[in-house]
Amino acid sequence: GAVVSQHPSRVICKSGTSVKIECRSLDFQATTMFWYRQFPKQSLMLMATSNEGSKATYEQGVEKDKFLINHASLTLSTLTVTSAHPEDSSFYICSASRTGGYNEKLFFGSGTQLSVL
Amino acid sequence: GESVGLHLPTLSVQEGDNSIINCAYSNSASDYFIWYKQESGKGPQFIIDIRSNMDKRQGQRVTVLLNKTVKHLSLQIAATQPGDSAVYFCAENYTGGFKTIFGAGTRLFVKA
Repeated sequence: GAVVSQHPSRVICKSGTSVKIECRSLDFQATTMFWYRQFPKQSLMLMATSNEGSKATYEQGVEKDKFLINHASLTLSTLTVTSAHPEDSSFYICSASRTGGYNEKLFFGSGTQLSVL
Repeated sequence: GESVGLHLPTLSVQEGDNSIINCAYSNSASDYFIWYKQESGKGPQFIIDIRSNMDKRQGQRVTVLLNKTVKHLSLQIAATQPGDSAVYFCAENYTGGFKTIFGAGTRLFVKA
């Protein structure tokens, strides 16, 4: 149990286009989902926390208009990278929590490698 | 972001030896700690966790030690196997906070 599916696994796009990444909890209801960004050989950096039915909470330095997060249901959160530029190229990973992220392990998607040309 | 963006330190061990991966955490209010394993191109996988009311917890071939006095965690892997080669991250979570913050990570190489 506790499977998180993330799609697409890899996307290449032209500069200026928008890219949507989906994160689904397949066998549980995720009260909270988290979006992380990871550069090569570095750790995961939390971008934002999304709760179903409410606005996402963004970490300091993360542009909310750039990285649009929607958590429309208890099993689906989406991250849209708007007007992507080469510096947005990165590995994006979602995770889901049953209990809102409070003192529990997270279940992660397999990640999305975004390359912006 | 809140995690440290450093290049990963590396630990190289011989197959069959024990591995010890260390982590210093940042928040003295953190009360829940998790070790994750990340293979190349994949998301992190849960290995083992420990709450702050414990100082040691054992799983299958893995042991986590917590020293709250010096804010230090370690992950011990017994009889390390080639399949253990990956990047290992410690993560912390604190009462009143609803987010998991990752440490810098360590890359483990297992030599056959």
